[in-house]
Amino acid sequence: AQRVTQPEKLLSVFKGAPVELKCNYSYSGSPELFWYVQYSRQRLQLLLRHISRESIKGFTADLNKGETSFHLKKPFAQEEDSAMYYCALTVGGNFNKFYFGSGTKLNVKP
Amino acid sequence: DAGVTQSPTHLIKTRGQQVTLRCSPKSGHDTVSWYQQALGQGPQFIFQYYEEEERQRGNFPDRFSGHQFPNYSSELNVNALLLGDSALYLCASRRREGFNGELFFGEGSRLTVL
Repeated sequence: AQRVTQPEKLLSVFKGAPVELKCNYSYSGSPELFWYVQYSRQRLQLLLRHISRESIKGFTADLNKGETSFHLKKPFAQEEDSAMYYCALTVGGNFNKFYFGSGTKLNVKP
Repeated sequence: DAGVTQSPTHLIKTRGQQVTLRCSPKSGHDTVSWYQQALGQGPQFIFQYYEEEERQRGNFPDRFSGHQFPNYSSELNVNALLLGDSALYLCASRRREGFNGELFFGEGSRLTVL
């Protein structure tokens, strides 16, 4: 069965420090992976997709199929990065089911 | 464009009652999915509707049912409510064609079952 695991419920870092939010998944096929973010008082929204290999707001994520991981990284955290981050996986065609992890709250301290 | 809108925002029910939650998708979107988010958890997929039919379903009992209307709006119905159904219910919309993985979420309906 598909599963997404985010081992840290809370991650606190100081402004300017590097940040890495961990995500591990279980799926035997070729997954599509995403990071979604929810800022305070805002809706859940897409941050980035692994297939795009993009950097959004300084964040990057690399899919490591050997370790079944999709960790989110940023070299220098900013206070505005404080939010809930959810790793998500989709499988199966155009009518995709999304499987979300339980989320990591990132707190960037001044 | 108001984006995805959900109603009601909050509601309180008692065990055994039934509830209907409503969702209007973002303009131009034709596919709606529903998620249950319990406190401290990530969203869990309930089901997805396209062309007024349920296309995919998660691991939820038959007490959870839905509907999609010709204007693409959708309803989630939960019968015989249990205390464990207390959660935030999120609606997400997307366009079927050219889907790139971006779901657009509503603000949710917070259901409390007493």
